[in-house]
Amino acid sequence: GDSVTQMEGPVTLSEEAFLTINCTYTATGYPSLFWYVQYPGEGLQLLLKATKADDKGSNKGFEATYRKETTSFHLEKGSVQVSDSAVYFCALSDWGAQKLVFGQGTRLTINP
Amino acid sequence: GAVVSQHPSRVICKSGTSVKIECRSLDFQATTMFWYRQFPKQSLMLMATSNEGSKATYEQGVEKDKFLINHASLTLSTLTVTSAHPEDSSFYICSATGQDGNQPQHFGDGTRLSIL
Repeated sequence: GDSVTQMEGPVTLSEEAFLTINCTYTATGYPSLFWYVQYPGEGLQLLLKATKADDKGSNKGFEATYRKETTSFHLEKGSVQVSDSAVYFCALSDWGAQKLVFGQGTRLTINP
Repeated sequence: GAVVSQHPSRVICKSGTSVKIECRSLDFQATTMFWYRQFPKQSLMLMATSNEGSKATYEQGVEKDKFLINHASLTLSTLTVTSAHPEDSSFYICSATGQDGNQPQHFGDGTRLSIL
């Protein structure tokens, strides 16, 4: 079945550092790919998405590019802030099925 | 953007109690709602998918008699944990999506359930 694998955390960085969180997937079809963010004690918020190969999703300085050849959707940000501290989930869904398959999540802590 | 409200945000109750959690879409018609369970420091596990007006579809290993799901309207789904026990303690999160199958899911803020 479909699956998502994220780099293991936790990840700790200093403010203004460059961030990469790796995400790879396996899927039988042509899924849409998502990054969700979860702040402490809250539900998930959609951060960005991409629906087809070579699409780049971006939001709040975060970016991820749908790479079909490497089945990857790595999350990047050029300069992180303390407020970016959260748990980040990579996910996929097959169009129509709507079910989301989540990676295990990566806890990010940004120190001032 | 689309808003999903989940209530209550936190429940603490005694073993054997049944607990109802509500999930409402506030500004769109949610034809499909999803219920997830999240253990500490782990990912979300889909429990069931519910479509308005029909029976929920449960994932393998989820007891449908234990976790009753009702999706009676296009804006409300409920999850009832029947005769809850300490092992049911968890963070429960709902999400909702509309008729457009390409829409992302919109999540509620979750309910932390603690069974004593």
